[in-house]
Amino acid sequence: KNQVEQSPQSLIILEGKNCTLQCNYTVSPFSNLRWYKQDTGRGPVSLTIMTFSENTKSNGRYTATLDADTKQSSLHITASQLSDSASYICVVSGYTGGGNKLTFGTGTQLKVEL
Amino acid sequence: DAGVIQSPRHEVTEMGQEVTLRCKPISGHDYLFWYRQTMMRGLELLIYFNNNVPIDDSGMPEDRFSAKMPNASFSTLKIQPSEPRDSAVYFCASRADTLNTEAFFGQGTRLTVV
Repeated sequence: KNQVEQSPQSLIILEGKNCTLQCNYTVSPFSNLRWYKQDTGRGPVSLTIMTFSENTKSNGRYTATLDADTKQSSLHITASQLSDSASYICVVSGYTGGGNKLTFGTGTQLKVEL
Repeated sequence: DAGVIQSPRHEVTEMGQEVTLRCKPISGHDYLFWYRQTMMRGLELLIYFNNNVPIDDSGMPEDRFSAKMPNASFSTLKIQPSEPRDSAVYFCASRADTLNTEAFFGQGTRLTVV
């Protein structure tokens, strides 16, 4: 069964600190992996999209890594800001006979405090 | 472009009533997705369209749910009759017809069925 597990479930850090969020998946065959940021009361916004051949992708202070062999991804946030407080969702796309099928993680709730 | 536009933003209705959620995708996007998000289950894909044709509706929870896309600029998700367990935030998203492009989400419709 295709699954995406994220850890930790929630995290509180001080402003200016770094943090790393984890995503482990069992989706196969693999198409791509996406990290989304969702602010409270808003729709998810894409941070990165990574395909099988990509190991690292950055978007400003956000850096995603992908290890397709171990089926693990991480999202590293550098020099956190209060505006980074949000839910971060890992979504893995896998090929099926009818096209790509998305499997969602339940998200990591990040809170950045002063 | 104004992005994906959903209406209404909030809907409160009584159990048994019909509810219609509306979505206008980004112009030129060939794919349209309907998602449901709850605290318990996170984000779930309900159905998606390609060029106005429903491709995968396996996520639609039951026959009370139906979705249509009469043209490239409009889609509806209808629940009839609604039940309290349908209470959730419903998101619409669209993306271009390229495999590894990001999907853009609307602001969502928060549905409460009492």
